[in-house]
Amino acid sequence: ETGVTQSPTHLIKTRGQQVTLRCSSQSGHNTVSWYQQALGQGPQFIFQYYREEENGRGNFPPRFSGLQFPNYSSELNVNALELDDSALYLCASSLGGFGNTIYFGEGSWLTVV
Amino acid sequence: RKEVEQDPGPFNVPEGATVAFNCTYSNSASQSFFWYRQDCRKEPKLLMSVYSSGNEDGRFTAQLNRASQYISLLIRDSKLSDSATYLCVVNRASNDYKLSFGAGTTVTVRA
Repeated sequence: ETGVTQSPTHLIKTRGQQVTLRCSSQSGHNTVSWYQQALGQGPQFIFQYYREEENGRGNFPPRFSGLQFPNYSSELNVNALELDDSALYLCASSLGGFGNTIYFGEGSWLTVV
Repeated sequence: RKEVEQDPGPFNVPEGATVAFNCTYSNSASQSFFWYRQDCRKEPKLLMSVYSSGNEDGRFTAQLNRASQYISLLIRDSKLSDSATYLCVVNRASNDYKLSFGAGTTVTVRA
């Protein structure tokens, strides 16, 4: 629907492992943001990438890192997984610049056991 | 203090009723305000932007009060399909679209 696709849709990891989540932004969108949504909470801003550069970060530790590629797709990497990292991870893309609509992907459900 | 605070509800209303709820935001520099709708285990979807003069979109009316730093959403003639969590969203800085979300207000419309 929105043209933003995320993978995988669901995954289970063990505490201490590492995970990589992927996002393909809507065609032509050069800005990607990642959000974490724990159960019963609103999405929390992790970071944003604009033209392959990090462009702002929320209150997340360095073990949360990301990349944006020349085609504007993006990855979120989380190292040393903790139980509290269990959440829905949402990717949102937009055409950079204030005033443009943001489109969310369907998210990746991560469970850490 | 949280950046965006909402009454979690739930608001349990009969079909056809009017329901309204607010959210408050802490950053006076915020310039963009939105209501998003989120269905269970789905991604948030934009319901409407909120403009300074207030705006309507069908049965939905949004208001912004900058002086008191709150926005409101009113739903008229509630439908069963309006059952969802409504997320109040403001931009984190005055010139970009990094967003701060509230925890959501749950609305359940019953037949």
